[in-house]
Amino acid sequence: KAGVTQTPRYLIKTRGQQVTLSCSPISGHRSVSWYQQTPGQGLQFLFEYFSETQRNKGNFPGRFSGRQFSNSRSEMNVSTLELGDSALYLCASSSRTSATTDTQYFGPGTRLTVL
Amino acid sequence: DAKTTQPNSMESNEEEPVHLPCNHSTISGTDYIHWYRQLPSQGPEYVIHGLTSNVNNRMASLAIAEDRKSSTLILHRATLRDAAVYYCILRDARGNAGNMLTFGGGTRLMVKP
Repeated sequence: KAGVTQTPRYLIKTRGQQVTLSCSPISGHRSVSWYQQTPGQGLQFLFEYFSETQRNKGNFPGRFSGRQFSNSRSEMNVSTLELGDSALYLCASSSRTSATTDTQYFGPGTRLTVL
Repeated sequence: DAKTTQPNSMESNEEEPVHLPCNHSTISGTDYIHWYRQLPSQGPEYVIHGLTSNVNNRMASLAIAEDRKSSTLILHRATLRDAAVYYCILRDARGNAGNMLTFGGGTRLMVKP
């Protein structure tokens, strides 16, 4: 089985722009979660989608949004970029058969740099 | 949410066992203990999880204290490839948080040849 794929792997944007990141989960997985990783804050949960519905949302401003398509692929969007949005954005997929034992499979991440 | 406490860093020699501790004194009866690790330049990967009993898999062993207030991830023979940040995470069996993982700072394991 192919793993979780994220595109693009690297991205450079300037302040005020917007960006869209893409995540393709493992085939058959219906849950996709997004995380932001920075040196200062570590790994922080952004949101989770399951069957095209947002199930959980972390403590991030409304500039951060996401969606999931019927094929379980997911995108996240950050509008009006700020310097502090520079981070590694990780996507994780899960089959969500059981919340307690579900293994989260992470992609390699998208490294976003905001200048 | 119940929190976990881990040492910031640990060092080990190659081919020796490594014991990575995790304290979770406020753990609830429905919390599972999960471990993930993040190798350099990669996303986190699942290592092992358990509830009350000790667990073994091909990657590691998980030893859980009788009162469940602490646990230890055991790598039986550390290799250079095991150098990573190891995260101890609690997941509520009731599934209220869905698939959200709450990461702490983790333990950075350095393996010396």
